[in-house]
Amino acid sequence: EDQVTQSPEALRLQEGESSSLNCSYTVSGLRGLFWYRQDPGKGPEFLFTLYSAGEEKEKERLKATLTKKESFLHITAPKPEDSATYLCAVQETAGANNLFFGTGTRLTVIP
Amino acid sequence: ETGVTQSPTHLIKTRGQQVTLRCSSQSGHNTVSWYQQALGQGPQFIFQYYREEENGRGNFPPRFSGLQFPNYSSELNVNALELDDSALYLCASSLVGRETQYFGPGTRLLVL
Repeated sequence: EDQVTQSPEALRLQEGESSSLNCSYTVSGLRGLFWYRQDPGKGPEFLFTLYSAGEEKEKERLKATLTKKESFLHITAPKPEDSATYLCAVQETAGANNLFFGTGTRLTVIP
Repeated sequence: ETGVTQSPTHLIKTRGQQVTLRCSSQSGHNTVSWYQQALGQGPQFIFQYYREEENGRGNFPPRFSGLQFPNYSSELNVNALELDDSALYLCASSLVGRETQYFGPGTRLLVL
């Protein structure tokens, strides 16, 4: 059975203090690994898709990396507007292309 | 390009009632997936529709049902509502053959 574990559950950073969020996954065959950002009471906003180990993608202060067992979301010099819950999800090669999500990391960036 | 839209934004029902939630997919997308997100949890897959047929289903009982229309919009119907059905219901659209799903703003359902 697919499993996605995100850590830490919550993270408080000072503005400008860089850090990384972790997503460990177990899946029989990986079609893709996805990162989303979710603000309270809103739908997830797509950030990145990673397909194979060694792949990296960047967007502004965010950089996502992928290994065979985990993915990291690196946040460089965060700003208060980066405060949100970051969700990781995997999609299997078999099945209906559904996403299997972790419980997320709730990030708070303090000015 | 129009994003995914959902209606209503929120609603309150009582236990035992039925509810219908609606979703319009992003322009050009032909696949719609529905997810349930309880407070503090990640979204859980309910089912997916492609070409107006169910294309996969998560671990949800038959009282959760859906439809997809020729214009790719979709409905989620929940019968015999239970208190535990209170959640944010999310619709996501995608293009078959492309993996990325784009989410709507969700419908917040409260069952009393």
